Amino acid sequence: ETGVTQSPTHLIKTRGQQVTLRCSSQSGHNTVSWYQQALGQGPQFIFQYYREEENGRGNFPPRFSGLQFPNYSSELNVNALELDDSALYLCASSPPGVRTEAFFGQGTRLTVV
Amino acid sequence: AQSVTQPDIHITVSEGASLELRCNYSYGATPYLFWYVQSPGQGLQLLLKYFSGDTLVQGIKGFEAEFKRSQSSFNLRKPSVHWSDAAEYFCAVGLNQAGTALIFGKGTTLSVSS
Repeated sequence: ETGVTQSPTHLIKTRGQQVTLRCSSQSGHNTVSWYQQALGQGPQFIFQYYREEENGRGNFPPRFSGLQFPNYSSELNVNALELDDSALYLCASSPPGVRTEAFFGQGTRLTVV
Repeated sequence: AQSVTQPDIHITVSEGASLELRCNYSYGATPYLFWYVQSPGQGLQLLLKYFSGDTLVQGIKGFEAEFKRSQSSFNLRKPSVHWSDAAEYFCAVGLNQAGTALIFGKGTTLSVSS
């Protein structure tokens, strides 16, 4: 069974640019959530997608946006990149139902210069 | 607002010694609680979870945690630490009733000395 996969693993962008990160959810999972983990910090919840719609959002500005596709894969888009956006971005997928759990990918390391 | 506090930033334990990592949460209703472990440069692996019922929860790799509502705590324990347990440990509380949207603490770094 393939787990949660994220691409790319690393990338470097320039301040002001836009970036798209991708996540393939684990087979059978229909919920995807995204987290930002700055160096030395715990992951911070960005948002969650269920049935292709955002259904929960943390304290992040609108320049952080996402998509979920019919196959439950997902994208995280960040516009107008700032230096503070440099972080490990983690994607997690979850199976249907209540009392479930989040299964995390290995993350994408974004560096903004 | 929901929050998680991990009071210890860094803990060093001798190999074979017991371990307890502290976690305190703030949540209005019955919380869904989780412990995750992260090795350097890696994603997060779930160690154990609590939804309801027995307040002592068993997890993988010999870890257990105890939910204490009166103390708003969910401390992680292991009776005998192995060198491979050195990693970053995160406590989290679920924002929803599914455990898919999580608020994490800042983490505790565990070092194991020989």
